[in-house]
Amino acid sequence: DAKTTQPNSMESNEEEPVHLPCNHSTISGTDYIHWYRQLPSQGPEYVIHGLTSNVNNRMASLAIAEDRKSSTLILHRATLRDAAVYYCILRDIQGAQKLVFGQGTRLTINP
Amino acid sequence: GAVVSQHPSWVICKSGTSVKIECRSLDFQATTMFWYRQFPKQSLMLMATSNEGSKATYEQGVEKDKFLINHASLTLSTLTVTSAHPEDSSFYICSAQQGRTEAFFGQGTRLTVV
Repeated sequence: DAKTTQPNSMESNEEEPVHLPCNHSTISGTDYIHWYRQLPSQGPEYVIHGLTSNVNNRMASLAIAEDRKSSTLILHRATLRDAAVYYCILRDIQGAQKLVFGQGTRLTINP
Repeated sequence: GAVVSQHPSWVICKSGTSVKIECRSLDFQATTMFWYRQFPKQSLMLMATSNEGSKATYEQGVEKDKFLINHASLTLSTLTVTSAHPEDSSFYICSAQQGRTEAFFGQGTRLTVV
C-alpha cells in the first residue's frame, strides 16, 4: 500500500482557515486520495476524496498538486467541532479497496 | 452520508469468554466490510476484509481462529472475539462500502476484558 506522510499535530484558531498537508510521493496512477477524520471515541468520518482535480464539498476542499505527490485538505472556517485526527489515505481503485490508516494529524482548534 | 451502526457500543466481559460485535449498514447494501482495532493513542489497524458470502481475508498477524468474522448478508457482518483476554481489550471499528464507493464507519465498540 502506498504510504502518506502527515505532520503529527497542528493548531489553529476558531473561524480561521486550516490547511492540512499530506505527502504521498509514491502515489500510483490508480490511487485515489481520501481524507477521513476521527473525533475522540468515535469511528472515522469521511471528509473528501479526489484523483487529480481539486474537489469541494460542504465539509472541506481538497487541493491536489499537479504531480499528485502531495495534497492539502482545506477547512475554510474552522470550528471547535473540527478538532479531530485527520487521516490522509491512498486507496487503489483497482485493488482490494481497503483503507490503511497512518498516524494522521491531530488538529487542535483554539477558541 | 450512509449510516453504519455497530452494536454494542461498549461491552465488558470476563477473561475466557467470547464476545460478538455486530456491524450493520442501515441504508445501503455493503458488498465489503472491514474490521479494525484501535489501541489508545494509536491509529486504526486493519484486521480483516469481509466480502458478502465469502470467507474473510485476514491481515498478517491477525489470528483468524480468535477473531471470527461472518458476513452472511449484504447488511450485516459480525466479529466474534473468542476466548477473550485482557490484551484483547481495545476499540473495535467496522466500515462498510458498496462496490468502489467511499467507506463509511460505525461508531466503534469498546471492549474491556476483565
